[in-house]
Amino acid sequence: NAGVTQTPKFRVLKTGQSMTLLCAQDMNHEYMYWYRQDPGMGLRLIHYSVGEGTTAKGEVPDGYNVSRLKKQNFLLGLESAAPSQTSVYFCASSRAGSEGYEQYFGPGTRLTVT
Amino acid sequence: DQQVKQNSPSLSVQEGRISILNCDYTNSMFDYFLWYKKYPAEGPTFLISISSIKDKNEDGRFTVFLNKSAKHLSLHIVPSQPGDSAVYFCAASARGGSEKLVFGKGTKLTVNP
Repeated sequence: NAGVTQTPKFRVLKTGQSMTLLCAQDMNHEYMYWYRQDPGMGLRLIHYSVGEGTTAKGEVPDGYNVSRLKKQNFLLGLESAAPSQTSVYFCASSRAGSEGYEQYFGPGTRLTVT
Repeated sequence: DQQVKQNSPSLSVQEGRISILNCDYTNSMFDYFLWYKKYPAEGPTFLISISSIKDKNEDGRFTVFLNKSAKHLSLHIVPSQPGDSAVYFCAASARGGSEKLVFGKGTKLTVNP
């Protein structure tokens, strides 16, 4: 049982390049999330999904796209990377419910855009 | 507008003493609160939570207190251990939006041997 895994762990991009971050969970969770963490800013929600085939915008969605084609996977895409997207990206998942069930986080992807 | 505030960026305590981490919130629709712990180069891990129908929840050395009238919660760690040194995030979710959490900016706790 690996929990939440993220690929890759590190990446360096040049401005304007594109990339996709992959998140996978093996807990059969309905909900999945992408966050970014910047120094002094805490965790900010980029996009999330409440089920296969559905996505929604979070607090800071601009410059990112997501897809949830399979229940266990949630992809985060950067179409044209900018230095402002240098950050640590965390994926998380949780089960559905009527309360704020805890989210389980992956180990993070450290992205640098030069 | 920051809905979940952790006003102390850092806290330093001696091993064996009590650590108290504070969190304030502004949204009266929040009804579930969680604390996460994060070590460097790792993802956050869930620590303890509390529903708005309670004012206290305990799990071993960790206790969370909720004061709804003051919109304030705190995490008590007793006794503190060097392994507790980490960044602690407070998070909250609202009725009808329970799939989303709003996080504070975190407090870095250092427990000195």
